[in-house]
Amino acid sequence: DVKVTQSSRYLVKRTGEKVFLECVQDMDHENMFWYRQDPGLGLRLIYFSYDVKMKEKGDIPEGYSVSREKKERFSLILESASTNQTSMYLCASWDNNSPLHFGNGTRLTVT
Amino acid sequence: DAKTTQPPSMDCAEGRAANLPCNHSTISGNEYVYWYRQIHSQGPQYIIHGLKNNETNEMASLIITEDRKSSTLILPHATLRDTAVYYCIVRVARTGANNLFFGTGTRLTVIP
Repeated sequence: DVKVTQSSRYLVKRTGEKVFLECVQDMDHENMFWYRQDPGLGLRLIYFSYDVKMKEKGDIPEGYSVSREKKERFSLILESASTNQTSMYLCASWDNNSPLHFGNGTRLTVT
Repeated sequence: DAKTTQPPSMDCAEGRAANLPCNHSTISGNEYVYWYRQIHSQGPQYIIHGLKNNETNEMASLIITEDRKSSTLILPHATLRDTAVYYCIVRVARTGANNLFFGTGTRLTVIP
């Protein structure tokens, strides 16, 4: 089974801190995604990557950056966390012949 | 990628079939329909997908209309554990940049 692992289930950070959310997948998938999920808004795409060192902006990239140095790892970076970035963050990966597979999410609280 | 629309909520009696509709009227010929569900505090779980033919697996059945503008996910014998938010999405199975639209899904409540 495909496994997408997010490093933390819960995080609490202070406003202005730099925050790293890590995601690792074990199926050699080319495509990886970061979403955030907020009540009433569904899943919104922040960034995605279709190859090592490649990245594309999603619908809401402002305030975020990403890093894909290795195929299996896709990191989401909040350069200076703000309270409006309190959310559930979901990482996902897929390849052309597989469904999208999600991690169990990181619930980030910025105080 | 095509956008989808789903009813915000539905109820279903335990043991009965749950039929969840999805409209994707702008779907293109090479776009697959995928269904996922999300149980509280977990990541979305893949259920089933199809292109134009009806599909069935151990979890559910997927019925796609002939014009492919809508589909229905069927859970044949709903249980309390099927209470979740169900998402219908469409995507193109190709290499390269992919942008998915998840929407807000349908919250299914299975009633004892």
